[in-house]
Amino acid sequence: SQQGEEDPQALSIQEGENATMNCSYKTSINNLQWYRQNSGRGLVHLILIRSNEREKHSGRLRVTLDTSKKSSSLLITASRAADTASYFCATEARGAQKLVFGQGTRLTINP
Amino acid sequence: EADIYQTPRYLVIGTGKKITLECSQTMGHDKMYWYQQDPGMELHLIHYSYGVNSTEKGDLSSESTVSRIRTEHFPLTLESARPSHTSQYLCASSEYQGPGYGYTFGSGTRLTVV
Repeated sequence: SQQGEEDPQALSIQEGENATMNCSYKTSINNLQWYRQNSGRGLVHLILIRSNEREKHSGRLRVTLDTSKKSSSLLITASRAADTASYFCATEARGAQKLVFGQGTRLTINP
Repeated sequence: EADIYQTPRYLVIGTGKKITLECSQTMGHDKMYWYQQDPGMELHLIHYSYGVNSTEKGDLSSESTVSRIRTEHFPLTLESARPSHTSQYLCASSEYQGPGYGYTFGSGTRLTVV
């Protein structure tokens, strides 16, 4: 991958459980962003975390960033069937003004 | 869902035809992007623009071309479509205020070349 790895590639959990997805990247970054993509649709921006931030929350979403390990995680708490989608991390490298996307994690929430 | 529009939503076309995928946004964003995505795979940047009369090639080599004559419009053209061009094409835009702004994506055009 041009960006790095997302782990796991697929995740299936029961409704109400928490879902955690991880992302690793290769270069120094300005920020890291998470997006959701429903099947066959465009991406929706979820949350952005800057390189000088370590944790950020938005509703049921919690994102962490560890620049020393070049990794991030996305936690979705109290999952719902509507959370079923693919989730992508994307990084904006230092000196660049474009996003590079990971391979995505396909999340399935079972009712 | 978004103020960025892509047409057509689906397109099936024969080999050798010229096609233009349309992308328009009403947010006044300076930066616009085209990504190519095969089903279940990552997105690859093929073109981007920082404003009117600015276009750059992305990280993935593409036989397509783009133009940016108006802020709101960023069409992508394939002069001679081939089956290898079959993919989903996603257009996106963002504000030009330095680093740190999320992208707004269109719903995509799913292109099939037969």
